Amino acid sequence: EAGVTQFPSHSVIEKGQTVTLRCDPISGHDNLYWYRRVMGKEIKFLLHFVKESKQDESGMPNNRFLAERTGGTYSTLKVQPAELEDSGVYFCASSQEFFGPEGYNEQFFGPGTRLTVL
Amino acid sequence: ELKVEQNPLFLSMQEGKNYTIYCNYSTTSDRLYWYRQDPGKSLESLFVLLSNGAVKQEGRLMASLDTKARLSTLHITAAVHDLSATYFCAVIPETSGSRLTFGEGTQLTVNP
Repeated sequence: EAGVTQFPSHSVIEKGQTVTLRCDPISGHDNLYWYRRVMGKEIKFLLHFVKESKQDESGMPNNRFLAERTGGTYSTLKVQPAELEDSGVYFCASSQEFFGPEGYNEQFFGPGTRLTVL
Repeated sequence: ELKVEQNPLFLSMQEGKNYTIYCNYSTTSDRLYWYRQDPGKSLESLFVLLSNGAVKQEGRLMASLDTKARLSTLHITAAVHDLSATYFCAVIPETSGSRLTFGEGTQLTVNP
């Protein structure tokens, strides 16, 4: 079974440009999460989709960030315009349901997209 | 605001030695996760601890949870080079749905 995939693996852009990150969750997973790790700090939650609906977007830093999940499959995260402080690693994770047979939600992570804004 | 603190953040140890990584969190939770990340790779789930006193072991790693103290430990026994990676603990607070709150990670280097 394929895991969570993310594209691109690396992106280097200039301040003010636009970048779109893509995440393909594990097939059949309704829950999709975006997280990011900035400057070697802790990994921070950005938002959570259930199918195509935004369940929780409390972690989105500002309105330069736009996440979509049309059709409830893959998701995109667009940063427009990018700023220097947006540099970091953006992770996507997916999970099948809130509480599986063992009573917990296991989130499976992708390898991340390393974004560098110059 | 929930805080999850790991220490140490950097750990360099020799093969064959034992060590413990600590994870403290600031709110009630009964779900604590440990992940491992190799450079450029996905976060790999190591352990899920769901109740006070839970202990899980896999190879040279053992994780435990004390929900009263809001503390989890990841104990490394007789370290080997292959354990070199960054280890994260993460918590899902009781009131936050399903989003994970992570610690800063512990970068472990095991030297031959």
